[in-house]
Amino acid sequence: EDQVTQSPEALRLQEGESSSLNCSYTVSGLRGLFWYRQDPGKGPEFLFTLYSAGEEKEKERLKATLTKKESFLHITAPKPEDSATYLCAVQTYTGGFKTIFGAGTRLFVKA
Amino acid sequence: IAGITQAPTSQILAAGRRMTLRCTQDMRHNAMYWYRQDLGLGLRLIHYSNTAGTTGKGEVPDGYSVSRANTDDFPLTLASAVPSQTSVYFCASTPGAEAYFQETQYFGPGTRLLVL
Repeated sequence: EDQVTQSPEALRLQEGESSSLNCSYTVSGLRGLFWYRQDPGKGPEFLFTLYSAGEEKEKERLKATLTKKESFLHITAPKPEDSATYLCAVQTYTGGFKTIFGAGTRLFVKA
Repeated sequence: IAGITQAPTSQILAAGRRMTLRCTQDMRHNAMYWYRQDLGLGLRLIHYSNTAGTTGKGEVPDGYSVSRANTDDFPLTLASAVPSQTSVYFCASTPGAEAYFQETQYFGPGTRLLVL
């Protein structure tokens, strides 16, 4: 069964304390992996798409990496405004496109 | 407007009542989606539409129906609401149709529904 698991469920950091969020997946026919940011009371907002193992993408303090079994979202020197829920989604193709979302990691960055 | 709008923002509904959640996009995207988001679970696809005039069932379609009369609008109807349909509902869209690789999904702000 296709599955996407994010860890940890919640992460509390001090401002400037770098860390990583994990998204592990068990799917067949991976076509792409997406990272989204979701602020409280709002819809998810796109961050990155990764297509193949070894690929990396960066945006400000965030860097996403991909292996054959998992993806990491590295946060370097986070600021309080980075506090949000980060969602991982995996797209597969087995007779049709299907997108599977993880439950998310809630990040709290304290000043 | 730019993007996706959803209405209402929130709603308290008595069980057994009928309710339609509205979704409108102004990006001329072909594909549209309805998801529900529950605490501890990932977004789950309810229904989708690859293009105007077509719809399909997602992962959790029971108790919900959709229509796609035109490109811009994709309403979600709960025929007879039950408490288990209490959730946050998100509408989303993508430029391409299902036959093509789906790029970024654009999400609306959500509708918070409480069924009592």
